[in-house]
Amino acid sequence: GALVYQYPRRTICKSGTSMRMECQAVGFQATSVAWYRQSPQKTFELIALSTVNSAIKYEQNFTQEKFPISHPNLSFSSMTVLNAYLEDRGLYLCGASRTGVNQDTQYFGPGTRLLVL
Amino acid sequence: GQGVEQPDNLMSVEGTFARVNCTYSTSGFNGLSWYQQREGHAPVFLSYVVLDGLKDSGHFSTFLSRSNGYSYLLLTELQIKDSASYLCAGTGGYKVVFGSGTRLLVSP
Repeated sequence: GALVYQYPRRTICKSGTSMRMECQAVGFQATSVAWYRQSPQKTFELIALSTVNSAIKYEQNFTQEKFPISHPNLSFSSMTVLNAYLEDRGLYLCGASRTGVNQDTQYFGPGTRLLVL
Repeated sequence: GQGVEQPDNLMSVEGTFARVNCTYSTSGFNGLSWYQQREGHAPVFLSYVVLDGLKDSGHFSTFLSRSNGYSYLLLTELQIKDSASYLCAGTGGYKVVFGSGTRLLVSP
């Protein structure tokens, strides 16, 4: 089946520093990779969507300057949270859509939980 | 516009059933996905529906009415371990719009 890995699973960073998280699709090629943040007591917020042959599209309230994303191939994506502050804490999820049947379905990695001190 | 709505909470009893409702107004809607999420964990994919009607998948079944912008997830023969949040997500192109989730509590 489709598997998505994320690394690290948990991380702590000091306020004002940056941290990088990775997403790896295993066993399939992801036609798109989306990054989400689930903050405490909130639902998912889409940060950005990276689709094959298209520029990375950021949602309102999220910018490339704050959350730069690299998507070098169809199986790997990374996102950095720059200059992290308390409001950036939460569970960061990577969702990868596979080609073929149910192309719109996203399979999620386990998430990277970010704690900012 | 884009919006996916779900009730916040739902309670049911072990051995019976629970129906989690979802209404949506997603432009460019292609399909609707259902996920189960446990506290502190990532959502787990349950089902994807794009055709009207009931899709029976055993313990989890899903219904879709595109003309009404309505879907539900039906859990039968409930177990205590089915207590979790259930999220529906409308899909438009590659974009996925999540509802806030319905927290299901199954009591003995």
